[in-house]
Amino acid sequence: AQKITQTQPGMFVQEKEAVTLDCTYDTSDPSYGLFWYKQPSSGEMIFLIYQGSYDQQNATEGRYSLNFQKARKSANLVISASQLGDSAMYFCAMREGGGAQKLVFGQGTRLTINP
Amino acid sequence: DTEVTQTPKHLVMGMTNKKSLKCEQHMGHRAMYWYKQKAKKPPELMFVYSYEKLSINESVPSRFSPECPNSSLLNLHLHALQPEDSALYLCASSQEYFGGKAEETQYFGPGTRLLVL
Repeated sequence: AQKITQTQPGMFVQEKEAVTLDCTYDTSDPSYGLFWYKQPSSGEMIFLIYQGSYDQQNATEGRYSLNFQKARKSANLVISASQLGDSAMYFCAMREGGGAQKLVFGQGTRLTINP
Repeated sequence: DTEVTQTPKHLVMGMTNKKSLKCEQHMGHRAMYWYKQKAKKPPELMFVYSYEKLSINESVPSRFSPECPNSSLLNLHLHALQPEDSALYLCASSQEYFGGKAEETQYFGPGTRLLVL
C-alpha cells in the first residue's frame, strides 16, 4: 500500500505566484517525521523542510511552509512568491516509527515555473 | 555545513568490471545511506550504516557491496552489474535516525550517474 501519495504529477505556475504541492501519508505509528526535498535536473536531493508528528506548529523555512493537517494525514508544501529557480521535482517523504531509519518517498511532483 | 560529496559524478562500466562509488561527509553524522534512483522514480533505499555498522540491507543483490571504513566515509563496491542497474546512486547522511529535525534529517550528495553497458 502506498504510504506517501503525491497526486500531482506535474504543475505549472506563473512566476511570483504561490504554489501548493499536495502530500498525503498513511501510518498507524504515532511517531513519524515528514520531509520535503527538491531535486533539480542535476540530481541532488535538497532538503527543504521537516515536520515532526508531535510538533504543535506548522514548520516554516524561508519561502517554504508546511501545511500539516494531522487528522487528515496531509502535509502540503507551500512555496510563496515562486521563482524560476524553483522549477524542479519535489518529493514528500516520511520516516515512521522510533528507531526506523527508512525514508519512504512519494512519486514526486514536477513543478515548472513560467516567466 | 551540510555537504555530502560523492565521486565520481559519472561512471560507465561494462558488466565484467569492478568499480567503486565513494561518499564522504564531515558533519559528524553517524548514520549513512545508499539510495538507488531510476529515471522519473523516487529514490529507493539500499543500505543503512549506523555507527559504522550495517543496520539495514534492503535485500540488495550481492553484486552491490557496501563498506564503511570510518564514520566519514561510505563506499559502494560494484561487480558484475547488469544494464538494469544503470541509475543515479545517491548517498545521504544524518546525525541519528529519529528524534527531531536536527537528528534525523538526511542530507544528500549530488549522486553518481552510473551506466552499465
